[in-house]
Amino acid sequence: DAGVIQSPRHEVTEMGQEVTLRCKPISGHDYLFWYRQTMMRGLELLIYFNNNVPIDDSGMPEDRFSAKMPNASFSTLKIQPSEPRDSAVYFCASSNGPEQFFGPGTRLTVL
Amino acid sequence: AQTVTQSQPEMSVQEAETVTLSCTYDTSENNYYLFWYKQPPSRQMILVIRQEAYKQQNATENRFSVNFQKAAKSFSLKISDSQLGDTAMYFCAFMKHYTTDSWGKFQFGAGTQVVVTP
Repeated sequence: DAGVIQSPRHEVTEMGQEVTLRCKPISGHDYLFWYRQTMMRGLELLIYFNNNVPIDDSGMPEDRFSAKMPNASFSTLKIQPSEPRDSAVYFCASSNGPEQFFGPGTRLTVL
Repeated sequence: AQTVTQSQPEMSVQEAETVTLSCTYDTSENNYYLFWYKQPPSRQMILVIRQEAYKQQNATENRFSVNFQKAAKSFSLKISDSQLGDTAMYFCAFMKHYTTDSWGKFQFGAGTQVVVTP
């Protein structure tokens, strides 16, 4: 069984550019989560979806961040424009029960 | 709001020895879930063990076991017969029960770095 798939694994971009992170959840999972991990703030929940509908986006840091889930097998997290302080590892996770299963993460570096 | 505290930033243990990681949490809920995840240098987050608050029996998964003390709001993880592959950051996480509108939201602790030495 394929786990949660994220792309790209690494992204280096310049300040002001648009960044799009992609996630494919595990088939049959109806919850999808986006997290950000930094040394200073640890693991933060940004937004999560249930059956493709955003349930809670209170963790999205500001309007530069947006997330979509157009169907059950795909989600995107977009940052526009990107800033150096957005540099972090971004994880996608999915679940159909209490446990969450994480993807390998995308390491984003904004120069 | 729930808070999860891991008071040990780093712990070192020799191979084959036992190490115990502490986790405390603060909640007014009666039904909830607790988890331990490990994050090795590959940065992949891997579920280690799960505990339901309504279960009195402590969860066990091979060399990993927990000591769940509900009244004390404590959830420690014991790693027995430590192996080099256990070197990782370990995160404790709390989640409310599914009957609440916060189903699915994890609250993570800051993590404990475990280093297993030969």
